[in-house]
Amino acid sequence: KAGVTQTPRYLIKTRGQQVTLSCSPISGHRSVSWYQQTPGQGLQFLFEYFSETQRNKGNFPGRFSGRQFSNSRSEMNVSTLELGDSALYLCASSSAQGAWANVLTFGAGSRLTVL
Amino acid sequence: GENVEQHPSTLSVQEGDSAVIKCTYSDSASNYFPWYKQELGKGPQLIIDIRSNVGEKKDQRIAVTLNKTAKHFSLHITETQPEDSAVYFCAARLDTGRRALTFGSGTRLQVQP
Repeated sequence: KAGVTQTPRYLIKTRGQQVTLSCSPISGHRSVSWYQQTPGQGLQFLFEYFSETQRNKGNFPGRFSGRQFSNSRSEMNVSTLELGDSALYLCASSSAQGAWANVLTFGAGSRLTVL
Repeated sequence: GENVEQHPSTLSVQEGDSAVIKCTYSDSASNYFPWYKQELGKGPQLIIDIRSNVGEKKDQRIAVTLNKTAKHFSLHITETQPEDSAVYFCAARLDTGRRALTFGSGTRLQVQP
């Protein structure tokens, strides 16, 4: 079956703009998590959504937000972009139930460059 | 919160040799420890995981060991091949409804043919 799909794969924005990233999880997966990956900070947890509800949030400012739709697709938004927001944004989905509840499957990521 | 340290940051081995990557974690409550492999331009891919009720797990050339008392776990790759070259991340989390993984800083493995 299809994996986790993230769009767009690459984008360039300027400081002060906002950006919306999209993630389509594996069919049947109800949990979607977002991570930020940078060379300096590594992989850091942003938030997790399950059944349209945010049930966990990392230590990021309020400029970072997300949501999940009834079909489990998720979006994250970053407002008032800063240079330090340049990163690879990774989405991961999991079934959140049964023996495979813990297994996160990652997408290829959306690489954001802020100029 | 959880803190995961990973060593070494880079590792170069000859094809056919073994590679070992080590991680330590801080939260004794953590009980799920996955390892991910990330190739250039791709997202991390789960290669093996272990839960705290198990001390060792093997999958072909890959094995993971866990020492809960010392709070460390290791990835062992035997008979390395050039296609094993990638960045490897360890991670830890508490196995509850919360699904946030805390990742190590990564190890860049280079397998020389």
